[in-house]
Amino acid sequence: DQQVKQNSPSLSVQEGRISILNCDYTNSMFDYFLWYKKYPAEGPTFLISISSIKDKNEDGRFTVFLNKSAKHLSLHIVPSQPGDSAVYFCAALTGAGSYQLTFGKGTKLSVIP
Amino acid sequence: NAGVTQTPKFRVLKTGQSMTLLCAQDMNHEYMYWYRQDPGMGLRLIHYSVGEGTTAKGEVPDGYNVSRLKKQNFLLGLESAAPSQTSVYFCASSLSGGQPQHFGDGTRLSIL
Repeated sequence: DQQVKQNSPSLSVQEGRISILNCDYTNSMFDYFLWYKKYPAEGPTFLISISSIKDKNEDGRFTVFLNKSAKHLSLHIVPSQPGDSAVYFCAALTGAGSYQLTFGKGTKLSVIP
Repeated sequence: NAGVTQTPKFRVLKTGQSMTLLCAQDMNHEYMYWYRQDPGMGLRLIHYSVGEGTTAKGEVPDGYNVSRLKKQNFLLGLESAAPSQTSVYFCASSLSGGQPQHFGDGTRLSIL
């Protein structure tokens, strides 16, 4: 049973527009969430994270929102750029000091020039 | 600025052969991890280590062994390769638990 779900395998967005990638989780013990970006033939790269004590974290063009009651988080990219085209993985940790990341299956984002 | 380096990048094995994948990190991280990624799947944890000389099982440990003799290195071994172990293997490290993990570029392994 998947504990972290990314229900959209792919997403296409025009350059300059907003990209919204969604992630749902089922384990209420998760309290730290991360987004990773992955280009073909490369390893995942850490993008942004959010603790369960916050509902928003922003870093430049990237913002992550967390809705604990709905067990839902989303990554917003504004404005989207062609270089953002990649697979985005949502991942979660349980508890302070936890080490075992639980990953979603990923969403492939294509930003069209 | 190497970060996490995996060796080799590609390998083809025959069923029953053995091999070792090497992971090296230069960030002085305590924690190291081995994951596998299969088509259409997220990454799944095979084994991990929370410090030199320690190892532990992750979500999918069967058929693999690991060793962490030096802090900077984490080895993943396949004693008798099986076609089901065809995958892309990623190594990662982190400063401690609860910290973002930094990944290598992966090893693409095919078992015939």
